[in-house]
Amino acid sequence: EAQVTQNPRYLITVTGKKLTVTCSQNMNHEYMSWYRQDPGLGLRQIYYSMNVEVTDKGDVPEGYKVSRKEKRNFPLILESPSPNQTSLYFCASSSAGGGEQFFGPGTRLTVL
Amino acid sequence: GQNIDQPTEMTATEGAIVQINCTYQTSGFNGLFWYQQHAGEAPTFLSYNVLDGLEEKGRFSSFLSRSKGYSYLLLKELQMKDSASYLCAVRDLALSGGYNKLIFGAGTRLAVHP
Repeated sequence: EAQVTQNPRYLITVTGKKLTVTCSQNMNHEYMSWYRQDPGLGLRQIYYSMNVEVTDKGDVPEGYKVSRKEKRNFPLILESPSPNQTSLYFCASSSAGGGEQFFGPGTRLTVL
Repeated sequence: GQNIDQPTEMTATEGAIVQINCTYQTSGFNGLFWYQQHAGEAPTFLSYNVLDGLEEKGRFSSFLSRSKGYSYLLLKELQMKDSASYLCAVRDLALSGGYNKLIFGAGTRLAVHP
């Protein structure tokens, strides 16, 4: 089954404790993105990747890092989380830049 | 700049028809998507328009007017399960670097009542 998986689905952590949210897709898509979704603001892109070892900033990259060492995986790293990073995070993949996005199930992150 | 506007909330009755509007301003329009998102779940693809006109897909239709920067999603024969948020997203041609960006509106929350 074609899918995007994310882990964990829910996470409560404390300020400053490094965390990683994993994302994996099995559709051989070149493009992958991370979004955050906040009430009233919609989906905002954090980072995107056009291929292995090719990543770039989206609209709200501050406080986040990503890597793309393999085509299927695109982890999101928060080196020192802060409460303003409390949000719902979605990983997505697509076969073309800005094309139909296939979203993962989401990760609800709370930073205390 | 880039801007996408859609109503925040709408209500409708089961069996009725509802139209959700989306207006946009982008530097290099290259297509418009509609996604459906149930509460706490991931968005799922509904439709894609790149040329002017109406695209029909079962109970759902999507319309685009590029000259007016306007699109709508039409939902017919509403069912309770259609209660969800509907996201308008515009594909913006890359200014450089070869990446065509997808810009999302804040979404319209639709409540369908019996």
